[in-house]
Amino acid sequence: KQEVTQIPAALSVPEGENLVLNCSFTDSAIYNLQWFRQDPGKGLTSLLLIQSSQREQTSGRLNASLDKSSGRSTLYIAASQPGDSATYLCAVRRANSKLTFGKGITLSVRP
Amino acid sequence: GAVVSQHPSRVICKSGTSVKIECRSLDFQATTMFWYRQFPKQSLMLMATSNEGSKATYEQGVEKDKFLINHASLTLSTLTVTSAHPEDSSFYICSATGLAGGTDTQYFGPGTRLTVL
Repeated sequence: KQEVTQIPAALSVPEGENLVLNCSFTDSAIYNLQWFRQDPGKGLTSLLLIQSSQREQTSGRLNASLDKSSGRSTLYIAASQPGDSATYLCAVRRANSKLTFGKGITLSVRP
Repeated sequence: GAVVSQHPSRVICKSGTSVKIECRSLDFQATTMFWYRQFPKQSLMLMATSNEGSKATYEQGVEKDKFLINHASLTLSTLTVTSAHPEDSSFYICSATGLAGGTDTQYFGPGTRLTVL
């Protein structure tokens, strides 16, 4: 059974800091991995999707990497801003299209 | 990009009543829709997968008679929580895949907050 772990559960950083959010998964037989952002009481916004054959994806200040063999992914946020405060979830997709989510990391960026 | 809506966004009901939540794909045909449940500070748990015109496939531990899913068209799926109880209070989120951006990406709705008194 696939398990996705995100540690720590919460993170607080000062504005401007570069930071890395970690995600690990137990079964390396994944189709792709996706990072989402969730604001309080809201749905999910897809940030980056990495196919199993890819190593990383970039979008603006965000960079996500994938090491399938070790079961790890990281989301790098450069020059963090208060507007980046949210919960970040990673999810791995199996071949049957089902997503398995981690519990998320709640990020707070202090002005 | 592809947009998925949910209605209502928030609902409060009395114990024993049934509540229907709608999930719509606004600008694409959703061949598959997924229903998730999220408890505070917990991950999204997949409840069921529905394909248009066929019966939903429920995850282990999810009561199909309690959580009725109907995927009647390529743009609409509904989740009905029957005889709701306080323990059913949760955040329900749907997602859809289809012809918009290929089947690699699930597009998520904004969620529905259900509170059962």
